[in-house]
Amino acid sequence: QKEVEQNSGPLSVPEGAIASLNCTYSDRGSQSFFWYRQYSGKSPELIMSIYSNGDKEDGRFTAQLNKASQYVSLLIRDSQPSDSATYLCAVNSGRGSTLGRLYFGRGTQLTVWP
Amino acid sequence: DAGVTQSPTHLIKTRGQQVTLRCSPKSGHDTVSWYQQALGQGPQFIFQYYEEEERQRGNFPDRFSGHQFPNYSSELNVNALLLGDSALYLCASSPGHPSEQYFGPGTRLTVT
Repeated sequence: QKEVEQNSGPLSVPEGAIASLNCTYSDRGSQSFFWYRQYSGKSPELIMSIYSNGDKEDGRFTAQLNKASQYVSLLIRDSQPSDSATYLCAVNSGRGSTLGRLYFGRGTQLTVWP
Repeated sequence: DAGVTQSPTHLIKTRGQQVTLRCSPKSGHDTVSWYQQALGQGPQFIFQYYEEEERQRGNFPDRFSGHQFPNYSSELNVNALLLGDSALYLCASSPGHPSEQYFGPGTRLTVT
């Protein structure tokens, strides 16, 4: 059973701070990694994808991947109240019979207070 | 450019009934995946369709079935509804697989 674990939170940070969200996965053969943002009552929205070790930056968001440690993280710089949402980590094993299937963590609820 | 669309938005059904949910993928996308998201949980993979065939399936009973049409749109059918089937049903499309998946707004199903 492929597992994706996230800190359930909730995580609370002040406006302007850096929010750090973490995720570990069990399948060492995983190839693709994604972060989705989900506002209450809405569907998940893709905000970052990362495929190779290292950092990937997009605006205020930075995804970090360490395949050796089976660890993915998302940093949100200059956090805004509008960033308050649940952040879902998703992993694609990228091989065999589960190719294309996303495995999700339970999500980390982030609150950014003014 | 229209994103992924789903219908209906909300649905209330009684135990034992059958339901059909619909999804139209984002323009240029040919692969559709369906997920079930219970309250407080991450989405769980139901199945994926590509070239009108079920390419792979998650750990869901045969009561859950689907179809993909030549225009890449898709349906999810659930028979003999149980209370536990109450959830948000999400459709995601992608340009082939594996690839980034983009979700539609979802269908909120309530079984009473």
